[in-house]
Amino acid sequence: SQKIEQNSEALNIQEGKTATLTCNYTNYSPAYLQWYRQDPGRGPVFLLLIRENEKEKRKERLKVTFDTTLKQSLFHITASQPADSATYLCALDAAGSYIPTFGRGTSLIVHP
Amino acid sequence: DAGVIQSPRHEVTEMGQEVTLRCKPISGHNSLFWYRQTMMRGLELLIYFNNNVPIDDSGMPEDRFSAKMPNASFSTLKIQPSEPRDSAVYFCASSPKGTTNEKLFFGSGTQLSVL
Repeated sequence: SQKIEQNSEALNIQEGKTATLTCNYTNYSPAYLQWYRQDPGRGPVFLLLIRENEKEKRKERLKVTFDTTLKQSLFHITASQPADSATYLCALDAAGSYIPTFGRGTSLIVHP
Repeated sequence: DAGVIQSPRHEVTEMGQEVTLRCKPISGHNSLFWYRQTMMRGLELLIYFNNNVPIDDSGMPEDRFSAKMPNASFSTLKIQPSEPRDSAVYFCASSPKGTTNEKLFFGSGTQLSVL
């Protein structure tokens, strides 16, 4: 069966450190993978997209990698700040359907 | 642009009642999604419209759920009759034309509680 797995345990890190979140998937051949941020009581907000033929994408303090052999994406936030505390969701489309399916998200807590 | 607008923000109803959730997508977007979020199951797709036509409704739980998109600027999700297990946050999202849904814009959601 198709699965998208993100760590269910919260990630706690100190301000200034790099946060690394993982998204693993099985039985998908996605055309792209997306990362979203969700704050309590709000809808998800799009952060980055990486395509199947790309290995890495950067945007300011954010970096995403995509390994289609390992079926894994890593999401990095460098020089993390307390304001980065939120839940981060990955999403991918199933077999080029262009309909994003979401993981359950990982909560990130950055301590001052 | 005001973004995706959902109403109501909160809905509390009793089991058996009809519930209607509303969504106004961003102008010019031609894809519209309804998702449901719970602690147990995360964010699940209910239905996907493209150019006002339902493309994928495989996530609609059962016949009690129905969704319409009468025009490009309005969609509704109706639950009739509602049950306590329908309690969740319901999100509407839209995506720009010609982008293969590479970036979804979400509304603030409707928190539904069925007592």
